[in-house]
Amino acid sequence: QSVLTQPPSASGTPGQRVTISCSGSSSNIGSNTVHWYQQLPGTAPKLLIYTNNQRPSGVPDRFSGSKSGTSASLAISGLQSEDEADYYCATWDDSLNGYVFGTGTKVTVL
Amino acid sequence: VQLVQSGAEVKKPGESLKISCKGSGYTFSNYWIVWVRQMPGKGLEWMGIIWPGDSDTRYSPSFQGQVTISADKSISTAYLQWSSLKASDTAMYYCARPGSSGNYHDAFNIWGQGTMITVSS
Repeated sequence: QSVLTQPPSASGTPGQRVTISCSGSSSNIGSNTVHWYQQLPGTAPKLLIYTNNQRPSGVPDRFSGSKSGTSASLAISGLQSEDEADYYCATWDDSLNGYVFGTGTKVTVL
Repeated sequence: VQLVQSGAEVKKPGESLKISCKGSGYTFSNYWIVWVRQMPGKGLEWMGIIWPGDSDTRYSPSFQGQVTISADKSISTAYLQWSSLKASDTAMYYCARPGSSGNYHDAFNIWGQGTMITVSS
């Protein structure tokens, strides 16, 4: 059972903006940086956002991340069909002394 | 820079297994390697990490005693092994590497392709 809570699903039509929340606590999000991963169907996860709001080279600027207190969020603006995937937030947890992933959110493009 | 994992396995309960993750394109000894489990239709779980330089290993409490993580820096390969598989070990297993050397808190920007393990009688 993950210590980072995400909504199980989110959806939008092409071009819309979708936001995914990630709720944690003082021992994880509250004291460490947050990362986001995208997992397309049948593939390995891919790093989408690191250190709360940084995009690796090659990740479109449609994807953005933010963090406030013990919560974080991922926004996808200008939603495209190829954005249909599972999205996971993640961070280090000082109490568990381990890396924790969120419960995951499935994004559907209607 | 890439991580290439060994192929899918089908095993029976009680059997042993060792899967591999070979790094290339970088100095293998200088980056942590993590193992991540994904059970069918489920989310990602951090299993543990290893520093190939000296085999310093840390486990998630959920996996401590259930698996063994090891590495052979001479052939740039990390391993995940089971001594007695259970049906509940059926899952996809990924190895991954953080983006910065020496920091196991960092985001994983390099991932292996995954190894599917099926345990069934």
